Amino acid sequence: DAKTTQPTSMDCAEGRAANLPCNHSTISGNEYVYWYRQIHSQGPQYIIHGLKNNETNEMASLIITEDRKSSTLILPHATLRDTAVYYCIVRAIMDSSYKLIFGSGTRLLVRP
Amino acid sequence: DTAVSQTPKYLVTQMGNDKSIKCEQNLGHDTMYWYKQDSKKFLKIMFSYNNKELIINETVPNRFSPKSPDKAHLNLHINSLELGDSAVYFCASSQAGTFAEAFFGQGTRLTVV
Repeated sequence: DAKTTQPTSMDCAEGRAANLPCNHSTISGNEYVYWYRQIHSQGPQYIIHGLKNNETNEMASLIITEDRKSSTLILPHATLRDTAVYYCIVRAIMDSSYKLIFGSGTRLLVRP
Repeated sequence: DTAVSQTPKYLVTQMGNDKSIKCEQNLGHDTMYWYKQDSKKFLKIMFSYNNKELIINETVPNRFSPKSPDKAHLNLHINSLELGDSAVYFCASSQAGTFAEAFFGQGTRLTVV
């Protein structure tokens, strides 16, 4: 079973920031938070991951609360191509099996 | 170059047939996976191979048999196909023992009629 809870759907206007929340209240100390997305009919695509510090890359920013029980993925300037299902996943560091457990994700619709 | 490539992209076949889906990765990863995405869009892991050895085998009918001839390839063979096998199958790869991301192929849409 997925260890995360996400809203079923969200929308935002093109050019605005998209903030996607995720609850992972049972996360343990050695588990990272990963975000993937799946654009229609494509394979899942890695976005970002983090342990406890906020992270930023060319795609997004990840804000993790101090207690690590929740996080927010931020797409700073959403475009129509960011319309996708976004998955928040927790995974143990150095887990050799790399067993990603996908929940139902958040369907983000970016409006023109 | 495509990092993880699957063939075929679409596969339509009749019940009872045997079919294979091929997967190749050129990333030098030592771990490969098969995931199944059903009509309700849930993604579930089926198998994982590390250095050609099976390390994850979820509750999957034994009609499904993965085969890894080398680290760069993980093929999925399905015997006696059933209607319920219709789904999109994704291959993925990653480097074991790290927190690096997994790379997914573009999927194979299998339709059993």
